[in-house]
Amino acid sequence: QTVVTQEPSFSVSPGGTVTLTCGLSSGSVSSNYYPSWYQQTPGQAPRTLIYSTNTRSSGVPDRFSGSILGNKAALTITGAQADDESDYYCVLYMGSGLWVFGGGTKLTVL
Amino acid sequence: EVQLVESGGGLVQPGGSLRLSCAASEFTFDNYWMTWVRQAPGKGLEWVANIKQDGSEKYYVDSVKGRFTISRDNAKNSLYLQMNSLRAEDTAVYFCARTYSSSWYFFDYWGQGTLVTVSS
Repeated sequence: QTVVTQEPSFSVSPGGTVTLTCGLSSGSVSSNYYPSWYQQTPGQAPRTLIYSTNTRSSGVPDRFSGSILGNKAALTITGAQADDESDYYCVLYMGSGLWVFGGGTKLTVL
Repeated sequence: EVQLVESGGGLVQPGGSLRLSCAASEFTFDNYWMTWVRQAPGKGLEWVANIKQDGSEKYYVDSVKGRFTISRDNAKNSLYLQMNSLRAEDTAVYFCARTYSSSWYFFDYWGQGTLVTVSS
């Protein structure tokens, strides 16, 4: 069974930079998995941030960026703001119509 | 503005059935794959099922295969999820999402979700 891994939690100072990662329990994440990233605050629907590894969704500020770092997909937030405090999820397209979400990272800005 | 509005959630006993709906508007519905994603209380997002534009392809997470059926009515701009043999672990908020599933693969618009509670 494929497991997509994310850090359960992360902390960043206001104005700081943080990189969240999205890996596979076995194997490497590449752009062929079309990694995408979503931000969610409690009680709200997810918001699309990044798709196809590094393309920002419409209206997403450029302090959010996506990449492949080593064998993982990565979401980097540069100049973190208080309202970036959210849960962040990656999802990988596994092919044949199947998708797998990571467990999510709870980001604290303090 | 693209809108997706889920409905049909509620309280159901284990073993029972429920049909969720997702009403789509402000975009050409039959141009897009559509997806159901769920989130158990206090847990992360889980992909549940998706369906091709014409309904000819459907895919499910293993845990719901044989119990859930995704469908769509393009004339009504609506997506459905028929859920049978419900279990306590199916308790979750169910979101529908517009889906790109060629060239790019991602979910670009989400509904606000509908809560399904399976309990006696």
